[in-house]
This record gives sequence, structure tokens and C-alpha cells, in this order.
Amino acid sequence: DAKTTQPNSMESNEEEPVHLPCNHSTISGTDYIHWYRQLPSQGPEYVIHGLTSNVNNRMASLAIAEDRKSSTLILHRATLRDAAVYYCILMDTDKLIFGTGTRLQVFP
Amino acid sequence: SAVISQKPSRDICQRGTSLTIQCQVDSQVTMMFWYRQQPGQSLTLIATANQGSEATYESGFVIDKFPISRPNLTFSTLTVSNMSPEDSSIYLCSVEDRGAADYGYTFGSGTRLTVV
Repeated sequence: DAKTTQPNSMESNEEEPVHLPCNHSTISGTDYIHWYRQLPSQGPEYVIHGLTSNVNNRMASLAIAEDRKSSTLILHRATLRDAAVYYCILMDTDKLIFGTGTRLQVFP
Repeated sequence: SAVISQKPSRDICQRGTSLTIQCQVDSQVTMMFWYRQQPGQSLTLIATANQGSEATYESGFVIDKFPISRPNLTFSTLTVSNMSPEDSSIYLCSVEDRGAADYGYTFGSGTRLTVV
């Protein structure tokens, strides 16, 4: 599986937008970009995924660079509940291989 | 989305013993996955469990240490055998949830294992 690079940690204030970056320069044409997050003391939960086009859902938006070598997860208005570890994962098979992720802190 | 029930939620075990973790899904799924999360670390995939065939193990994990059963399309067990303190981790099962409005993988809440 191709590798991703994420910052170890990021901080945000409540109700502000958050942009979580992910670099994946070795991505192949068939790799989907998945984002999961893990809240404290819980299993990971699905956030969003995409292949080439930007994607929006009720939780977040995913902006994918034109060359697909990077992507950004956008939380439009951070809440305290969004404090979690966010994982950017490339998938071309049926299994999720987790990297180290970005720990997001949200301050009131 | 699929709902996963994982048991036990936590346990404290003596070294040298074995613990079997159960994962029950409320719908039929083709593949189930078992992960380990060591303290302060990310998740590491142990194996993929398919019904009717032997589990496929990732590098660094072997069947003798982590035997897996998959008797039907809604249930799987992971056994942690001959435990040592290094096995203290959270063990999670996961399934591919094609029935969800937002396609993705669903995870159980995990089994927190402490080996003393």
C-alpha cells in the first residue's frame, strides 16, 4: 500500500474551519483516498473518501489535488467533539492500513 | 450502518493464558478484519477473516499466536494465545459496510486487554 504523510498534531478553536493535510506522492491511479477518525476510547469511524473529484458529506469535505499527490480534509466548523486522531489512508485493496495520523485538538 | 458487538470490552489476564474475543455483526458481511492498537499507537492489521477459508495474516502475525475462527457471515473470534505483557493492547474488529449510505468500514468499540 502506498504511504501517506500527515502532521503529528494540529490545533483549532471551536467554530473555526480546520484543514487537515495529507501528502501521498506515491499514490497510484487506482488508490482511493480514505479518511477515518478515532475519538478517545472509541474505534475509528469513517469520515469520507474520494478518488479524483472533491467530495462533500454531512461530516466534512475532501479536497483532492489535481495531481492527486495530496489531499485536505476540511471540517467547516470545528466542535469540541471533533477532537480526535484523523487518519488519511490510501486503499487499492479491501483492507485499511493505518498510518500515524494527525491528533486534532479543539479549544473552546 | 452495520452494528458490531465486541466482547469482552475489557479483561485482565494472567501471562501464559489465552483469551478469546468475540465479534458479532448485525448483518452478513464477507470480510471481517482484526486489528491491534498498542498503547499510544495507531492500529495495526492482524488478519482478514473470510467465512469458509483460513484467515489471511499480515506480516509479523501468525496463526499459532492469534488463531481466528469465522464460522458464519456474522461472527468471528480472535484468540490471543500464551499471553505476555507485550500483548496488552486494544483489539478491534472491523467490517466493510457496503450497506451504509456513506460507504466505509465500521469498527467495534474494542477489547482492552491487560496482561499481568
